[in-house]
Amino acid sequence: DIQMTQSPSSLSASVGDRVTITCRASQGINNFLAWFQQKPGKAPKFLIYEASRLQSGVPSNFSGSGYGTDFTLTISSLQPEDFATYYCQQYKTFPFTFGPGTKVDMK
Amino acid sequence: QVQLVESGGGVVQPGRSLRLSCAASRFTFSSYGMHWVRQAPGKGLEWVAGIWYDGSNKYYADSVKGRFTISRDNSKSMLYLQMNSLRAEDTAVYYCAKEHRITGSQPFDYWGQGSLVTVSS
Repeated sequence: DIQMTQSPSSLSASVGDRVTITCRASQGINNFLAWFQQKPGKAPKFLIYEASRLQSGVPSNFSGSGYGTDFTLTISSLQPEDFATYYCQQYKTFPFTFGPGTKVDMK
Repeated sequence: QVQLVESGGGVVQPGRSLRLSCAASRFTFSSYGMHWVRQAPGKGLEWVAGIWYDGSNKYYADSVKGRFTISRDNSKSMLYLQMNSLRAEDTAVYYCAKEHRITGSQPFDYWGQGSLVTVSS
């Protein structure tokens, strides 16, 4: 199985900050990488697919990059509604696996 | 707007069975692969099972293989998860999720609101 790791596990930031989250796969997954945002008590929200493609309706302050085993999610200017937990997911091979999550909270 | 509505969750004793359902609407259900993902209280997301658009192929996490069965009824736009021999560690919110596109390996673009399953004596 492909293991996914994320760093940091949590971070504190302020509105307007630039935030970067890293996701690493235990083996190459090309660009079969998605990012999700989840708020407490809510279902995950689909943000990015194919490592860098923004899902329709997702604000342009979100961006993704990477290929192979190393990926990043960047929020260029953190907004109040962006405080949440972020998960990466590989969908190259079953079982599809998620990273453990990165919680972004208010400094 | 795509709609996915799970039902069937509840409290069940260890070793018993439960069937979750997911009613899909506002998209061509029979064209898309579908999945179940769960989240234990306070924990991260865990993919559970997936099924091709026509039901011809099914995939399971090792943690549920042999105990859970995913199925679908395209005539009713329904997805199911039959859960047998339930264990305390199966306690979680279970989400059904739709694949983003109809071809190739795809992430999940729409999720239901979730159905809580609690396994406890």
